[in-house]
Amino acid sequence: VQLQESGPGLLKPSQTLSLTCNVSGDSVSTSNHYWSWIRQQPGQALEWIANTYFSGSPSYNPSLRGRLTISLDTSKNQFSLNLRSVTAADTAVYYCARAVAGSSDWYHPWGQGTLVTVSS
Amino acid sequence: SYVLTQPPSVSVAPGQTATIPCGGFNIGSKSVHWYHQKPGQAPVLVVYDDSDRPSGIPERFSGSNSGNTATLTISRVEAGDEAEYTCQVWDNSNDHPVFGGGTKLTVL
Repeated sequence: VQLQESGPGLLKPSQTLSLTCNVSGDSVSTSNHYWSWIRQQPGQALEWIANTYFSGSPSYNPSLRGRLTISLDTSKNQFSLNLRSVTAADTAVYYCARAVAGSSDWYHPWGQGTLVTVSS
Repeated sequence: SYVLTQPPSVSVAPGQTATIPCGGFNIGSKSVHWYHQKPGQAPVLVVYDDSDRPSGIPERFSGSNSGNTATLTISRVEAGDEAEYTCQVWDNSNDHPVFGGGTKLTVL
C-alpha cells in the first residue's frame, strides 16, 4: 500500500489549500480502514486534521473546523483536503495516511508528506 | 485535551539499548502506538497497541505501557535506527488522535 500527496507547495494568505492523496495497493472504497490528513508545523508535534470514510460522515479537528472540507473520490481511488483562508500558521508538512481502526486507531502507512508554505 | 510528553532527545551507543518514554495521565489505560520518522521520509509505524509490531519491523523494537508512562525499547541499537520517534494515543474525550512531541534518537 502506498500513499502519495500532491499539492501547490506555495500559497498566499487567504487562499485555499487543496491537497490530494493518491492511494495504490488498497481501495478507498473499504470499510476496513479510513483515510486521514495529518500535518506537522515547523518544530511542532503532529496534528490530526480530518478523516474521511467510505461510509459515514467526515470528522474534523475542531480547531480547524469551518475552514476544512475532506472528500473521497472512489473513481480515482484518492481523497482530498481543502483548507480555506490559509495563514502563515498553516505552513506545515501535510501527510495523508490510512487509519486502522482498532482498540485505539493508528496510522499505517503514511505518505511522504508535502511541504506547504503560506507566504505573501 | 489529552497531552503526551516525550523528551526531546535520547542518545545511545551502538549495540546498547535505547528506551524512549512517553508520559500521559493514566496512559496505561490507553493503547499506545509508536512511529519513527527520518528526515524527508514518511512516518513509519513501529509498534501498535502498546507492544505489537507490524510486519517488517525487527524484534529489536518492543513496547510497554503502565501507569503514566509508555516506553519504546530498541535493543541492540544500530546506526540506521537514528530517527525521531513519536508516540500516539486516542483521546476518547475529544474522539481524535493525539501525538507526542517526538524524541530524536541519536546513535553515538
